[in-house]
Amino acid sequence: DAKTTQPTSMDCAEGRAANLPCNHSTISGNEYVYWYRQIHSQGPQYIIHGLKNNETNEMASLIITEDRKSSTLILPHATLRDTAVYYCIVRAPQGAQKLVFGQGTRLTINP
Amino acid sequence: NAGVMQNPRHLVRRRGQEARLRCSPMKGHSHVYWYRQLPEEGLKFMVYLQKENIIDESGMPKERFSAEFPKEGPSILRIQQVVRGDSAAYFCASSPQGSQAEAFFGQGTRLTVV
Repeated sequence: DAKTTQPTSMDCAEGRAANLPCNHSTISGNEYVYWYRQIHSQGPQYIIHGLKNNETNEMASLIITEDRKSSTLILPHATLRDTAVYYCIVRAPQGAQKLVFGQGTRLTINP
Repeated sequence: NAGVMQNPRHLVRRRGQEARLRCSPMKGHSHVYWYRQLPEEGLKFMVYLQKENIIDESGMPKERFSAEFPKEGPSILRIQQVVRGDSAAYFCASSPQGSQAEAFFGQGTRLTVV
């Protein structure tokens, strides 16, 4: 039931910006874009979410296209500890609905 | 403010026994979600509960699995008569009341059925 498409895997050099794309062409007007990551064997970790404006926090930036059909998660200075599976999820706000995880992108940060 | 607490972290059960997994949500959170992750697979939604109510159990197996979130105390995921295929990591998440509130996950319970 996931409504997003992400590359299966990506590599990035340590210290560089990691840009993770996500397509959500069928997103509805009231659906938010959420990003989570799962570092090996740990619980998923919330990163960021947004509706239509770009968002930034201490972990990452989220860039959402004007038509909202795609977005990019940016880790500005990737470290080895950022190696994880990254999930892009769209979610309607009504009633705090469940998060539906797809396969995500396996990001590997190389030294 | 402590995060989502799950216990035990590791649980070993023999086939046919019962497994009880506990989840204490973050303070002030009234929504709880349970997910299962089989080895080398993705996270699958199981059930969504609010205090004393099951809101969405569309991901729960029809038999042997049940969940509750009582007025007082943690949420419990109960698996009766466990089988080897139940071996997995079970994650709990909680969120506060709110239309766009993010959910925070615990570190999971790893169930091994021997």
